[in-house]
Amino acid sequence: AQKITQTQPGMFVQEKEAVTLDCTYDTSDPSYGLFWYKQPSSGEMIFLIYQGSYDQQNATEGRYSLNFQKARKSANLVISASQLGDSAMYFCAMRERFFGNEKLTFGTGTRLTIIP
Amino acid sequence: DAGITQSPRHKVTETGTPVTLRCHQTENHRYMYWYRQDPGHGLRLIHYSYGVKDTDKGEVSDGYSVSRSKTEDFLLTLESATSSQTSVYFCAISGQGRDTGELFFGEGSRLTVL
Repeated sequence: AQKITQTQPGMFVQEKEAVTLDCTYDTSDPSYGLFWYKQPSSGEMIFLIYQGSYDQQNATEGRYSLNFQKARKSANLVISASQLGDSAMYFCAMRERFFGNEKLTFGTGTRLTIIP
Repeated sequence: DAGITQSPRHKVTETGTPVTLRCHQTENHRYMYWYRQDPGHGLRLIHYSYGVKDTDKGEVSDGYSVSRSKTEDFLLTLESATSSQTSVYFCAISGQGRDTGELFFGEGSRLTVL
């Protein structure tokens, strides 16, 4: 079974609209973390936002917020007031810890295109 | 920005030749990772290291080996490159002391195996 599932290969959104990128996950680790990364066409990986499994409130960073629904095992990224510069690949990732070690598993990504 | 560099950034090689990619960090972070990125697959973990001489396999480790003889260097070796190993390879390090454990990525190494 996939640990991280992103079901939207591509999305087109009008500029200034809000957009939600879906992410579901599967883990038996009680203490996990969820991340979103952005990869523009230039190729670098940019960290956007983090949500810990024990965090009571949804994480927010500027125009980014993470809609964390623990019971449903979903961690959707919401971008408010989208901008042309938001066009990029977006990856959801999950951190698990095993015997003191840790690693991040990534989803397959969503390519977001903002339309002027 | 985390001090992490990858070399070479671009390489073209032929099937059957050995290839070594180097990841160098100046942050003294404990964890280092090698991922490959392919269209439709996202980033997949090849190997990771949790300390000097301590490494473990990821989900796509076949055909790859790694070594970490110093904290700052993590080497990825393809003993005999195949066309299926054509990919973009990313090294990443984990932010020591940060509770989030976010990864800092290198700029990537594009490998083409002919």
